[in-house]
Amino acid sequence: QKEVEQDPGPLSVPEGAIVSLNCTYSNSAFQYFMWYRQYSRKGPELLMYTYSSGNKEDGRFTAQVDKSSKYISLFIRDSQPSDSATYLCAMSVNYGGSQGNLIFGKGTKLSVKP
Amino acid sequence: KAGVTQTPRYLIKTRGQQVTLSCSPISGHRSVSWYQQTPGQGLQFLFEYFSETQRNKGNFPGRFSGRQFSNSRSEMNVSTLELGDSALYLCASSGGTIGYNEQFFGPGTRLTVL
Repeated sequence: QKEVEQDPGPLSVPEGAIVSLNCTYSNSAFQYFMWYRQYSRKGPELLMYTYSSGNKEDGRFTAQVDKSSKYISLFIRDSQPSDSATYLCAMSVNYGGSQGNLIFGKGTKLSVKP
Repeated sequence: KAGVTQTPRYLIKTRGQQVTLSCSPISGHRSVSWYQQTPGQGLQFLFEYFSETQRNKGNFPGRFSGRQFSNSRSEMNVSTLELGDSALYLCASSGGTIGYNEQFFGPGTRLTVL
């Protein structure tokens, strides 16, 4: 079993739809949970970051972490064609100091149709 | 503030050769991490350097090595290239201090091994 599982999609939705992206993980020691967005031919960019369990909202984006179920989600409201990209979840055990060793999901390719 | 830059952007090599990739972090950032991204395995952590010292290392063979200079610029080297080394190599920089530090990714170097 991989440490982080993410459905690769592709996921296609109409403009304005609510998008739900999810990851499951097996390492209960993960404390930091992130969502990255990667456009074609670009490096990943951080969308949301959450420490431990709970919800976090930023504009049209909401991140949820349920550590008891080892499950994280990213919701995109009022999706736009510009949201079309690959979304990667990432997790780490200890973000303090040592920055490396983010464990990534394989990414979900999202396409938002006008 | 200039972002993370990586050179070269594209590289074609043949099996058995070696290659050196370069990464210039955001000014003031002392931590540089390297990742390999392939369609099959996704994004995988290679190693992290902080103040010229390797602070963390992923599960890659010894053919993959790196270093960091006093100005925080980093290089990674892959010796005796194999076909499976074809990938997008991403570098990410961060402040590297205690607490949450966002990792900023460069655009990557696309390496093709023939």
